Amino acid sequence: GENVEQHPSTLSVQEGDSAVIKCTYSDSASNYFPWYKQELGKGPQLIIDIRSNVGEKKDQRIAVTLNKTAKHFSLHITETQPEDSAVYFCAASIWGDDKIIFGKGTRLHILP
Amino acid sequence: EAGVVQSPRYKIIEKKQPVAFWCNPISGHNTLYWYLQNLGQGPELLIRYENEEAVDDSQLPKDRFSAERLKGVDSTLKIQPAELGDSAVYLCASSQQGRNTEAFFGQGTRLTVV
Repeated sequence: GENVEQHPSTLSVQEGDSAVIKCTYSDSASNYFPWYKQELGKGPQLIIDIRSNVGEKKDQRIAVTLNKTAKHFSLHITETQPEDSAVYFCAASIWGDDKIIFGKGTRLHILP
Repeated sequence: EAGVVQSPRYKIIEKKQPVAFWCNPISGHNTLYWYLQNLGQGPELLIRYENEEAVDDSQLPKDRFSAERLKGVDSTLKIQPAELGDSAVYLCASSQQGRNTEAFFGQGTRLTVV
């Protein structure tokens, strides 16, 4: 089955700097890659996703890139703000299968 | 639009006791998921429903865990008997069937077994 690896487990960046979180997946059939943000005491919330027919997607300060050949994808957050502090999860699934496999998460700290 | 509603938010029980969690998905969402989230880990799928049918329960420890979604809407997850290692957050999520798009999560139920 699918296995998703996520790095780093913890990341601290100065406010205003950029943050990058990287994930790899094992199943070449996976073609849908969502990213979730989880704040303390809340459930994960989708922040951006990408499908395998594109290599990059951007939404304001966040962007995702996908390299299907290498089977890795990344989340980029620019101009980080205090409210970006949270745990971020990458995930992978196969279109139409609805089975979502999550990475172990990255705890992002935005330093003042 | 109301989100995924879970109850209770917190539950503390003694080991060997039974416990049940309830989930009300977003209206119109046919797919319902139960995930287990241990501290510092990502969500792990326990069971997935398409309407009232459990289409993936391979990760559900069936000796003590059970789930149901009788009318294809609300769902309950039960543990009997609970063990110390069951302490975790139990998350429910829902999505529109077949769209393979956003899964909306509830706030979860934090279970502590003492």
